Amino acid sequence: NAGVTQTPKFQVLKTGQSMTLQCAQDMNHEYMSWYRQDPGMGLRLIHYSVGAGITDQGEVPNGYNVSRSTTEDFPLRLLSAAPSQTSVYFCASSLRQGGIQKLFFGSGTQLSVL
Amino acid sequence: TQLLEQSPQFLSIQEGENLTVYCNSSSVFSSLQWYRQEPGEGPVLLVTVVTGGEVKKLKRLTFQFGDARKDSSLHITAAQTGDTGLYLCAGGDSKSRNMLTFGGGTRLMVKP
Repeated sequence: NAGVTQTPKFQVLKTGQSMTLQCAQDMNHEYMSWYRQDPGMGLRLIHYSVGAGITDQGEVPNGYNVSRSTTEDFPLRLLSAAPSQTSVYFCASSLRQGGIQKLFFGSGTQLSVL
Repeated sequence: TQLLEQSPQFLSIQEGENLTVYCNSSSVFSSLQWYRQEPGEGPVLLVTVVTGGEVKKLKRLTFQFGDARKDSSLHITAAQTGDTGLYLCAGGDSKSRNMLTFGGGTRLMVKP
């Protein structure tokens, strides 16, 4: 089973460039989310979606856009990359059981902004 | 914003030793999860606890949710090299659609 697939695995950008991180899941989960991981700071929620056509901001949404046109896909767009966005990005889909989110993560995208 | 603090941040031990890592908050959570992450991979869910005082065991790993649902601990008995990784706790809050808040993580290295 593929689970949650993220592409690319690695990316280097110059300041001001834009790009899209792709995320797809094949588990028919309603919830999907994007996190960034920085040393010593755990995972911080960027944006999330509770279903197709519905998105909301997380803890650190500035500089990022998302859309959810299908259940399977949840791309993350960097509009104008900045060095502060250098991080490892994880996409997750969630199985919601009894009101509890159980996250399934992709393998991450390591992004460097020069 | 609810905060989760994990301690210690780093832990290096010999194979066979026991260890405990902690996850603390001033806020109450409706659920608490533990994830383990290996280099180059995403976190993988180990356990979910939902009731104050709840204890769950997963082989040599014992997880406990504090009585007040503000803290949790993970105890590993007789650590093995395969336990090496980053351990993350995450709290769920029913008031925010149960989206998770993560702690900063404990990086564990078990030496042979």
